[in-house]
Amino acid sequence: EPEVTQTPSHQVTQMGQEVILRCVPISNHLYFYWYRQILGQKVEFLVSFYNNEISEKSEIFDDQFSVERPDGSNFTLKIRSTKLEDSAMYFCASSSRAGTTGELFFGEGSRLTVL
Amino acid sequence: KNQVEQSPQSLIILEGKNCTLQCNYTVSPFSNLRWYKQDTGRGPVSLTIMTFSENTKSNGRYTATLDADTKQSSLHITASQLSDSASYICVVSHGGSQGNLIFGKGTKLSVKP
Repeated sequence: EPEVTQTPSHQVTQMGQEVILRCVPISNHLYFYWYRQILGQKVEFLVSFYNNEISEKSEIFDDQFSVERPDGSNFTLKIRSTKLEDSAMYFCASSSRAGTTGELFFGEGSRLTVL
Repeated sequence: KNQVEQSPQSLIILEGKNCTLQCNYTVSPFSNLRWYKQDTGRGPVSLTIMTFSENTKSNGRYTATLDADTKQSSLHITASQLSDSASYICVVSHGGSQGNLIFGKGTKLSVKP
């Protein structure tokens, strides 16, 4: 069964360092998303991406964050200068349909720990 | 403010028993309501998606209900199994938004033998 894969599963970094989280969405999906979940808290929307550009982003997704799809298969989330509060589980998701009716398939997540 | 509230926060039941989880939401405009199962340290997995016009939807031993008038939903699990131990998250799609799903905090279900 097709699935969304994410790497790394866990990354530990020093505050101020750049981090890139990678995702391989399901192959025929066109809509891509990043969410995050701080330990013990709700899952929060970060950004949606379609046709090689950001469709929508939340207040959390500030200038420190960026996304790109460099090679037609990977979908990456970059955090330029990590802060302690960026420590969270980051989930990538993809969908074959636009809007809010499409079923989202989530990856297993990348746990980011900022020291 | 768009919010999704779930109760109870946690629940312990014996294997084989049924249980019902609750979700109240204040999301406008509403598009659809989803229930996800999330195992510890894993990504959420979709159980059901219901639109405004759907009152109930089943997926095996999981049955979700939706009352769009009172803005309430429930997830009923029948004949629970040990593998049902997980967090169950109610998620409401904000109408007109591509992926801005409003997540509840989840109900942590533990099924004991």
